[in-house]
Amino acid sequence: LAKTTQPISMDSYEGQEVNITCSHNNIATNDYITWYQQFPSQGPRFIIQGYKTKVTNEVASLFIPADRKSSTLSLPRVSLSDTAVYYCLVVSYGGATNKLIFGTGTLLAVQP
Amino acid sequence: ETGVTQTPRHLVMGMTNKKSLKCEQHLGHNAMYWYKQSAKKPLELMFVYSLEERVENNSVPSRFSPECPNSSHLFLHLHTLQPEDSALYLCASSSGTSGLADTQYFGPGTRLTVL
Repeated sequence: LAKTTQPISMDSYEGQEVNITCSHNNIATNDYITWYQQFPSQGPRFIIQGYKTKVTNEVASLFIPADRKSSTLSLPRVSLSDTAVYYCLVVSYGGATNKLIFGTGTLLAVQP
Repeated sequence: ETGVTQTPRHLVMGMTNKKSLKCEQHLGHNAMYWYKQSAKKPLELMFVYSLEERVENNSVPSRFSPECPNSSHLFLHLHTLQPEDSALYLCASSSGTSGLADTQYFGPGTRLTVL
Protein backbone atom coordinates (compact mmCIF):
# COMPACT_ATOMS: atom_id res chain seq x y z
CA LEU A 1 0.00 0.00 0.00
CA ALA A 2 1.30 3.42 -0.96
CA LYS A 3 2.36 5.65 1.91
CA THR A 4 0.95 9.18 2.01
CA THR A 5 2.49 12.37 3.35
CA GLN A 6 0.48 15.48 4.23
CA PRO A 7 1.00 18.52 6.45
CA ILE A 8 0.30 17.97 10.12
CA SER A 9 -1.73 21.15 10.47
CA MET A 10 -3.05 24.16 8.57
CA ASP A 11 -4.71 27.39 9.63
CA SER A 12 -7.29 29.34 7.68
CA TYR A 13 -9.98 31.99 8.06
CA GLU A 14 -13.64 31.80 7.29
CA GLY A 15 -14.47 32.38 3.64
CA GLN A 16 -11.05 31.39 2.34
CA GLU A 17 -10.29 28.54 -0.04
CA VAL A 18 -8.14 25.86 1.55
CA ASN A 19 -5.89 23.51 -0.40
CA ILE A 20 -4.38 20.48 1.33
CA THR A 21 -1.74 18.64 -0.63
CA CYS A 22 -0.87 14.99 -0.20
CA SER A 23 2.06 13.14 -1.71
CA HIS A 24 1.88 9.45 -2.61
CA ASN A 25 4.96 8.67 -4.66
CA ASN A 26 4.47 4.91 -4.70
CA ILE A 27 0.88 4.87 -5.89
CA ALA A 28 0.03 1.81 -7.98
CA THR A 29 -1.99 1.56 -11.17
CA ASN A 30 -5.08 0.17 -9.44
CA ASP A 31 -5.04 2.63 -6.54
CA TYR A 32 -7.57 5.41 -5.95
CA ILE A 33 -6.98 8.57 -3.90
CA THR A 34 -9.56 9.06 -1.19
CA TRP A 35 -10.09 11.79 1.38
CA TYR A 36 -11.92 11.48 4.70
CA GLN A 37 -12.88 14.11 7.27
CA GLN A 38 -13.04 13.48 11.01
CA PHE A 39 -14.50 15.69 13.73
CA PRO A 40 -13.49 15.10 17.37
CA SER A 41 -14.99 11.96 18.92
CA GLN A 42 -16.71 10.98 15.68
CA GLY A 43 -15.95 8.47 12.97
CA PRO A 44 -14.31 9.58 9.72
CA ARG A 45 -16.61 10.66 6.92
CA PHE A 46 -15.91 10.13 3.22
CA ILE A 47 -15.41 13.38 1.34
CA ILE A 48 -14.21 12.62 -2.15
CA GLN A 49 -12.38 10.07 -4.26
CA GLY A 50 -10.60 10.22 -7.57
CA TYR A 51 -8.28 8.40 -9.93
CA LYS A 52 -6.92 11.15 -12.15
CA THR A 53 -7.47 14.76 -13.32
CA LYS A 54 -10.23 16.53 -11.40
CA VAL A 55 -13.23 15.42 -9.40
CA THR A 56 -15.76 17.79 -7.89
CA ASN A 57 -18.74 17.24 -5.63
CA GLU A 58 -20.90 19.44 -3.43
CA VAL A 59 -18.28 19.48 -0.67
CA ALA A 60 -14.85 19.66 -2.30
CA SER A 61 -12.68 19.29 -5.37
CA LEU A 62 -9.82 16.88 -5.85
CA PHE A 63 -7.00 17.65 -8.25
CA ILE A 64 -4.71 14.85 -9.38
CA PRO A 65 -1.84 15.54 -11.82
CA ALA A 66 -0.99 13.18 -14.64
CA ASP A 67 1.76 11.34 -12.73
CA ARG A 68 -0.65 10.75 -9.79
CA LYS A 69 2.18 11.09 -7.29
CA SER A 70 0.34 13.83 -5.42
CA SER A 71 -3.17 15.18 -5.01
CA THR A 72 -4.76 18.34 -3.67
CA LEU A 73 -8.01 18.57 -1.76
CA SER A 74 -9.64 21.95 -2.27
CA LEU A 75 -12.30 23.24 0.14
CA PRO A 76 -14.04 26.35 -1.18
CA ARG A 77 -14.95 29.14 1.25
CA VAL A 78 -14.40 27.28 4.50
CA SER A 79 -16.45 27.94 7.61
CA LEU A 80 -15.80 27.31 11.29
CA SER A 81 -17.57 23.95 10.98
CA ASP A 82 -14.89 22.75 8.56
CA THR A 83 -12.41 22.57 11.44
CA ALA A 84 -11.49 18.88 11.47
CA VAL A 85 -8.77 16.39 10.63
CA TYR A 86 -8.51 15.56 6.93
CA TYR A 87 -7.02 12.23 5.89
CA CYS A 88 -5.55 11.40 2.51
CA LEU A 89 -5.58 7.70 1.73
CA VAL A 90 -4.51 5.57 -1.19
CA VAL A 91 -6.91 2.68 -1.56
CA SER A 92 -6.57 -0.51 -3.58
CA TYR A 93 -9.73 -2.19 -4.73
CA GLY A 94 -10.33 -5.55 -6.25
CA GLY A 95 -11.46 -7.75 -3.41
CA ALA A 96 -14.65 -7.95 -1.44
CA THR A 97 -13.19 -5.66 1.21
CA ASN A 98 -10.83 -2.74 1.08
CA LYS A 99 -8.09 -1.85 3.51
CA LEU A 100 -7.84 1.77 4.65
CA ILE A 101 -4.51 2.81 6.13
CA PHE A 102 -4.93 6.09 7.99
CA GLY A 103 -2.00 8.39 8.69
CA THR A 104 -2.00 11.25 11.15
CA GLY A 105 -3.96 13.48 8.79
CA THR A 106 -4.00 17.27 8.54
CA LEU A 107 -5.66 19.23 11.32
CA LEU A 108 -7.38 22.18 9.69
CA ALA A 109 -8.22 25.01 12.08
CA VAL A 110 -10.60 27.63 10.69
CA GLN A 111 -10.73 30.91 12.56
CA PRO A 112 -13.34 33.68 12.38
CA GLU B 1 -26.30 9.97 10.40
CA THR B 2 -24.25 7.51 8.36
CA GLY B 3 -26.46 4.43 8.66
CA VAL B 4 -24.00 2.80 11.06
CA THR B 5 -24.88 2.83 14.76
CA GLN B 6 -22.74 1.85 17.71
CA THR B 7 -23.67 1.13 21.31
CA PRO B 8 -22.78 2.07 23.89
CA ARG B 9 -21.33 5.46 23.02
CA HIS B 10 -19.30 5.53 26.24
CA LEU B 11 -18.06 2.65 28.37
CA VAL B 12 -15.99 2.53 31.54
CA MET B 13 -14.81 -0.88 32.68
CA GLY B 14 -12.37 -2.44 35.07
CA MET B 15 -9.59 -4.73 33.94
CA THR B 16 -11.45 -7.83 35.16
CA ASN B 17 -14.77 -6.99 33.52
CA LYS B 18 -16.28 -8.52 30.41
CA LYS B 19 -18.19 -6.23 28.09
CA SER B 20 -19.28 -6.11 24.47
CA LEU B 21 -19.45 -3.36 21.88
CA LYS B 22 -22.21 -3.53 19.30
CA CYS B 23 -22.33 -2.20 15.78
CA GLU B 24 -25.28 -2.28 13.41
CA GLN B 25 -25.44 -1.09 9.83
CA HIS B 26 -28.66 -0.28 8.00
CA LEU B 27 -27.11 0.07 4.56
CA GLY B 28 -27.34 -3.45 3.21
CA HIS B 29 -23.57 -3.77 3.19
CA ASN B 30 -21.64 -7.03 3.15
CA ALA B 31 -18.34 -5.95 4.73
CA MET B 32 -17.77 -4.67 8.27
CA TYR B 33 -14.68 -3.40 10.06
CA TRP B 34 -13.42 -2.63 13.56
CA TYR B 35 -10.88 0.17 14.06
CA LYS B 36 -9.13 1.48 17.16
CA GLN B 37 -8.17 5.13 17.58
CA SER B 38 -5.95 5.95 20.53
CA ALA B 39 -5.18 9.49 21.58
CA LYS B 40 -2.88 11.25 19.12
CA LYS B 41 -2.43 8.11 17.03
CA PRO B 42 -3.79 7.15 13.61
CA LEU B 43 -6.73 4.82 13.26
CA GLU B 44 -5.65 1.20 13.39
CA LEU B 45 -7.55 -1.48 11.52
CA MET B 46 -8.33 -4.38 13.84
CA PHE B 47 -10.66 -6.80 12.08
CA VAL B 48 -12.39 -7.16 8.73
CA TYR B 49 -15.45 -9.27 8.00
CA SER B 50 -16.86 -10.09 4.59
CA LEU B 51 -20.20 -11.89 4.39
CA GLU B 52 -19.91 -12.77 8.09
CA GLU B 53 -16.51 -14.38 7.62
CA ARG B 54 -13.42 -12.88 9.21
CA VAL B 55 -10.96 -12.08 6.45
CA GLU B 56 -8.39 -10.07 8.34
CA ASN B 57 -7.04 -9.93 11.89
CA ASN B 58 -4.28 -7.37 12.28
CA SER B 59 -2.38 -9.06 15.11
CA VAL B 60 -4.94 -8.00 17.67
CA PRO B 61 -4.54 -9.44 21.20
CA SER B 62 -6.91 -12.25 22.10
CA ARG B 63 -8.55 -10.14 24.80
CA PHE B 64 -10.45 -8.61 21.87
CA SER B 65 -12.83 -11.12 20.30
CA PRO B 66 -14.98 -10.12 17.31
CA GLU B 67 -18.24 -11.73 16.30
CA CYS B 68 -20.32 -11.21 13.17
CA PRO B 69 -23.59 -13.17 13.42
CA ASN B 70 -25.02 -11.68 10.23
CA SER B 71 -24.10 -9.04 7.69
CA SER B 72 -25.86 -6.28 9.63
CA HIS B 73 -24.34 -6.81 13.06
CA LEU B 74 -20.82 -6.81 14.40
CA PHE B 75 -19.72 -7.24 18.00
CA LEU B 76 -16.43 -6.75 19.79
CA HIS B 77 -16.22 -8.77 23.00
CA LEU B 78 -13.81 -7.42 25.58
CA HIS B 79 -12.27 -9.23 28.53
CA THR B 80 -9.34 -8.59 30.87
CA LEU B 81 -8.41 -5.38 29.11
CA GLN B 82 -5.50 -3.15 30.03
CA PRO B 83 -5.55 0.61 30.64
CA GLU B 84 -3.67 1.12 27.36
CA ASP B 85 -6.70 -0.32 25.57
CA SER B 86 -8.59 2.86 26.39
CA ALA B 87 -9.48 4.41 23.03
CA LEU B 88 -12.24 5.25 20.58
CA TYR B 89 -13.45 2.07 18.89
CA LEU B 90 -14.95 2.64 15.49
CA CYS B 91 -17.06 0.36 13.37
CA ALA B 92 -17.41 0.78 9.61
CA SER B 93 -19.16 -0.96 6.77
CA SER B 94 -18.85 -1.04 3.00
CA SER B 95 -20.87 -2.60 0.25
CA GLY B 96 -18.31 -5.31 -0.36
CA THR B 97 -18.80 -5.18 -4.11
CA SER B 98 -15.68 -6.67 -5.56
CA GLY B 99 -13.62 -4.59 -7.92
CA LEU B 100 -15.38 -1.28 -7.43
CA ALA B 101 -14.39 1.83 -5.50
CA ASP B 102 -16.03 1.01 -2.21
CA THR B 103 -16.56 3.76 0.36
CA GLN B 104 -16.49 2.89 4.06
CA TYR B 105 -19.16 4.37 6.28
CA PHE B 106 -18.18 4.84 9.91
CA GLY B 107 -20.26 4.80 13.05
CA PRO B 108 -19.87 7.42 15.80
CA GLY B 109 -17.63 5.17 17.87
CA THR B 110 -17.56 3.88 21.43
CA ARG B 111 -15.31 5.79 23.83
CA LEU B 112 -13.81 3.08 26.06
CA THR B 113 -12.01 3.78 29.31
CA VAL B 114 -10.30 0.94 31.14
CA LEU B 115 -9.55 1.60 34.78
